[in-house]
Amino acid sequence: AQSVTQPDIHITVSEGASLELRCNYSYGATPYLFWYVQSPGQGLQLLLKYFSGDTLVQGIKGFEAEFKRSQSSFNLRKPSVHWSDAAEYFCVRGSSNTGKLIFGQGTTLQVKP
Amino acid sequence: EAGVAQSPRYKIIEKRQSVAFWCNPISGHATLYWYQQILGQGPKLLIQFQNNGVVDDSQLPKDRFSAERLKGVDSTLKIQPAKLEDSAVYLCASSVLAGGKNEQFFGPGTRLTVL
Repeated sequence: AQSVTQPDIHITVSEGASLELRCNYSYGATPYLFWYVQSPGQGLQLLLKYFSGDTLVQGIKGFEAEFKRSQSSFNLRKPSVHWSDAAEYFCVRGSSNTGKLIFGQGTTLQVKP
Repeated sequence: EAGVAQSPRYKIIEKRQSVAFWCNPISGHATLYWYQQILGQGPKLLIQFQNNGVVDDSQLPKDRFSAERLKGVDSTLKIQPAKLEDSAVYLCASSVLAGGKNEQFFGPGTRLTVL
């Protein structure tokens, strides 16, 4: 069965520092991959998505992610974290035909001033 | 453009009681999803509708959960009777069409507490 693993449950970084959140997906042809963010009291918001083509994808709020097929990874990065980035981040795999989303367990990001 | 609307935002009930959640998707979106998000976990799909037909309900506990989407627009999700382990946030999402390339837009969710 398709699955998504986020190895880090909780990460703390200082404001202005760089960020990398890890994500691994189970093997499968043409994975549709997403990163969503969920802030306290807010709904889920799409940060970026990968379907095919260029393996480095740019998203909103200065985030980017790199798809590496050889490592079955889709890590999220940001060069300089802002306090407002504190939230829950989900790596998600999508079904190409039905659109069903399979979520990882999430990584909670805390930002220190 | 209005987003996905859900009500109520919060609900507290006793176990064995019944509860219903309502979702109004973005206008024109044919596909509607209900997800269950238990504290500390990622959302899990319960049921997917395409217009008013069910596409996937493989993870819906059908002995107590039911959902309908009359006229292919609004949807209701019902739990009867509720158990303690049903405490979760219930998220509704919609997309223009089914298929992985169609972005899903999520509502704010309904937080259910079962005592």
